Amino acid sequence: DTEVTQTPKHLVMGMTNKKSLKCEQHMGHRAMYWYKQKAKKPPELMFVYSYEKLSINESVPSRFSPECPNSSLLNLHLHALQPEDSALYLCASSQDRSGVLREQYFGPGTRLTVT
Amino acid sequence: RKEVEQDPGPFNVPEGATVAFNCTYSNSASQSFFWYRQDCRKEPKLLMSVYSSGNEDGRFTAQLNRASQYISLLIRDSKLSDSATYLCVVNGGPNSNYQLIWGAGTKLIIKP
Repeated sequence: DTEVTQTPKHLVMGMTNKKSLKCEQHMGHRAMYWYKQKAKKPPELMFVYSYEKLSINESVPSRFSPECPNSSLLNLHLHALQPEDSALYLCASSQDRSGVLREQYFGPGTRLTVT
Repeated sequence: RKEVEQDPGPFNVPEGATVAFNCTYSNSASQSFFWYRQDCRKEPKLLMSVYSSGNEDGRFTAQLNRASQYISLLIRDSKLSDSATYLCVVNGGPNSNYQLIWGAGTKLIIKP
């Protein structure tokens, strides 16, 4: 089973709203990721969690705040977003075997529109 | 030079034909290589990991050429359902355990 689930599938929010994106995996993976993807572009890495600790933040603005409550869950808290933040937000997970990068498996994404 | 380069296409190919894509990468220390496919407005899905000796999965064959720093994907007997964007993905090397470097993708259109 290589399923990663994400909720909601679609989200429309105003620039003053606060919302959260959720991701869950039950594959026993210890690394989880947030990506942002704009149309006709490849995914851009935002954050990486390894063993529930934030290990990479790709200079993402503070209006995006990640959280990893446990090894199966990953959240992305959104606050005061801009219209240019509208994109597909993808969660992924992978096994975390030291020294070897394993395949990443993606959830279906949340399509976010900021108005 | 981009870290991972792909021909954006589109490749317009008749059903049943064989099609091949190449992808070049710049970091000679990269150790992991993957092909993902992505359908319009969907998430990327892992198609194949690429191993040093090359590997085959049904109609799909992936090869790695470390000397020339490229990977290839061959699709035989192409189906309409193969129409998608194919993304070449390379890890950033031993000091970048979690960093995947993504190519911009090659668009494939299979025509009946």
